[in-house]
Amino acid sequence: SQQGEEDPQALSIQEGENATMNCSYKTSINNLQWYRQNSGRGLVHLILIRSNEREKHSGRLRVTLDTSKKSSSLLITASRAADTASYFCATDLDSSYKLIFGSGTRLLVRP
Amino acid sequence: GAVVSQHPSWVICKSGTSVKIECRSLDFQATTMFWYRQFPKQSLMLMATSNEGSKATYEQGVEKDKFLINHASLTLSTLTVTSAHPEDSSFYICSARPFNLGPSFYNSPLHFGNGTRLTVT
Repeated sequence: SQQGEEDPQALSIQEGENATMNCSYKTSINNLQWYRQNSGRGLVHLILIRSNEREKHSGRLRVTLDTSKKSSSLLITASRAADTASYFCATDLDSSYKLIFGSGTRLLVRP
Repeated sequence: GAVVSQHPSWVICKSGTSVKIECRSLDFQATTMFWYRQFPKQSLMLMATSNEGSKATYEQGVEKDKFLINHASLTLSTLTVTSAHPEDSSFYICSARPFNLGPSFYNSPLHFGNGTRLTVT
């Protein structure tokens, strides 16, 4: 089953620009996490935001969470070509330990 | 820290044969590991939760006799694709969390292996 939907499905930007990806989910959650996947590889954890938090920063990453709208956004500032990857949001269903992933956004950063 | 190793990274097998994929937590112990499947340009679909010392929990629609999971130790889970068919060709990824995190367990990230690309001819 898939918990979240992300948009856009694909995003192409110029190096130095900001990239924003959005994630919507369906049920109540304990936390929401963002992961990055380079082509043909496993996933790397980027940031976790708990359900009682509204915003979190980590380096060039900024994540927001709106539990009333069941949505989250990931902002990557001053993008680099090396940021080219697929980005997934994932939620652990309330009272569950399983992570369910969103549909993902494929980001292309052009040098 | 928190490294998950998955082996093999790719495998090609003939239809009807079985393939075993290993997932090891190298520097932590995991009572629970998760197996995902990913089709090209799609998201990860949770297949099953592997529980150390007990039966795996399969997601709806996943055939447990087709995808055998064994979690015999706190650092190793295996996924065996039995009687593989071309439609089983996919990217399989395992993940785990350290189990000794106490209350933080449920608010901790998953650590992923690098995946196994299975091609069934």
